[in-house]
Amino acid sequence: QQQVKQSPQSLIVQKGGISIINCAYENTAFDYFPWYQQFPGKGPALLIAIRPDVSEKKEGRFTISFNKSAKQFSLHIMDSQPGDSATYFCAANNYNQGGKLIFGQGTELSVKP
Amino acid sequence: DVKVTQSSRYLVKRTGEKVFLECVQDMDHENMFWYRQDPGLGLRLIYFSYDVKMKEKGDIPEGYSVSREKKERFSLILESASTNQTSMYLCASNHLYGYTFGSGTRLTVV
Repeated sequence: QQQVKQSPQSLIVQKGGISIINCAYENTAFDYFPWYQQFPGKGPALLIAIRPDVSEKKEGRFTISFNKSAKQFSLHIMDSQPGDSATYFCAANNYNQGGKLIFGQGTELSVKP
Repeated sequence: DVKVTQSSRYLVKRTGEKVFLECVQDMDHENMFWYRQDPGLGLRLIYFSYDVKMKEKGDIPEGYSVSREKKERFSLILESASTNQTSMYLCASNHLYGYTFGSGTRLTVV
């Protein structure tokens, strides 16, 4: 019940295209769903996050879509740019469990010019 | 901005050595975490701490220990380094929800 499953493991998108990364979870007690972006040689950095009381959150070209009944959430990157090439991690947690994040396996995104 | 600082970016150690990885955060966060990152396996939690002198095992604690004597500092200790501990090690801290990560320490055990 503690797992977060992320797909695909790697993704190649043309510049200007839409990148979509999907995650699924089991634990219905999770109440916070962040996405992290990691560039080579750097630690992951918070990109965008959503709570389960909304179905979508948009920040610039990045959108999280959340489907509570299906226990799935996804990251959409519109107008993908070569500078978006990075590894993306979804995660989930329940504050009552001490704020410990459960991470997906990661997606390596490559945006081709 | 919250800063999480890991003392070394790159380390090369010999098999059997005792290795210390240090992490310091500057925002008075209660919670601190150590993860290792390996290709295809994502981020795996080694140990975490909710307060000074408190520690809890994560998913892969074997071969590791931790120390938290001060709130801002959380140390990861490899008691006797082995080649299968070659990895990227990431420290993080948080107060409520989202983490702030350090830049990571890439450890190679030869």
